[in-house]
Amino acid sequence: AAGVIQSPRHLIKEKRETATLKCYPIPRHDTVYWYQQGPGQDPQFLISFYEKMQSDKGSIPDRFSAQQFSDYHSELNMSSLELGDSALYFCASSLAVRGGGETQYFGPGTRLLVL
Amino acid sequence: AQTVTQSQPEMSVQEAETVTLSCTYDTSENNYYLFWYKQPPSRQMILVIRQEAYKQQNATENRFSVNFQKAAKSFSLKISDSQLGDTAMYFCAFIRIYNQGGKLIFGQGTELSVKP
Repeated sequence: AAGVIQSPRHLIKEKRETATLKCYPIPRHDTVYWYQQGPGQDPQFLISFYEKMQSDKGSIPDRFSAQQFSDYHSELNMSSLELGDSALYFCASSLAVRGGGETQYFGPGTRLLVL
Repeated sequence: AQTVTQSQPEMSVQEAETVTLSCTYDTSENNYYLFWYKQPPSRQMILVIRQEAYKQQNATENRFSVNFQKAAKSFSLKISDSQLGDTAMYFCAFIRIYNQGGKLIFGQGTELSVKP
């Protein structure tokens, strides 16, 4: 079965640079989520989109922005990168159900290293 | 605010034996779902099992089952006939049911080692 696709899988950037992470949800899924997992930590929710509209927002820095496109793929744009942004970034997708709470399926993650 | 607590940072079990991972959560909500995800060394997040809070019957998926105690806000995972491939970090997660695109709230994780 098709899974969530994330690109790139690994990314190395310098401080103050910009990075763009891409996420392609499971076919027919209409909701995408972004999570950040620091070393030795649990995943922290950043932001989600349902039908191309922002659905929920977590502790996402103002330096980060994201959107969901008409084909349901999503991009997370990160500017003015800091050392503390080094982490594993997960995208997850789901098929919306009435009332919410749908199961989220995770991609393999993008490992970002900021030097 | 909702919180999820996993009080066992590390656990180990012998191959073919049974192990139970603990999870407690705090919420004032009545409608929610609970999940267990595993994260093996590859760092992929893999869904293990899901429990709807409105269901009294405990969820099972092959060797994996849960003990869901809603009043006690407890959601433990039992792994039977442990296999070497079960070695992973296990995260308990909570989601409030209120709209599409809701966030998962994770516990701190339990690192499980299955020993041959």
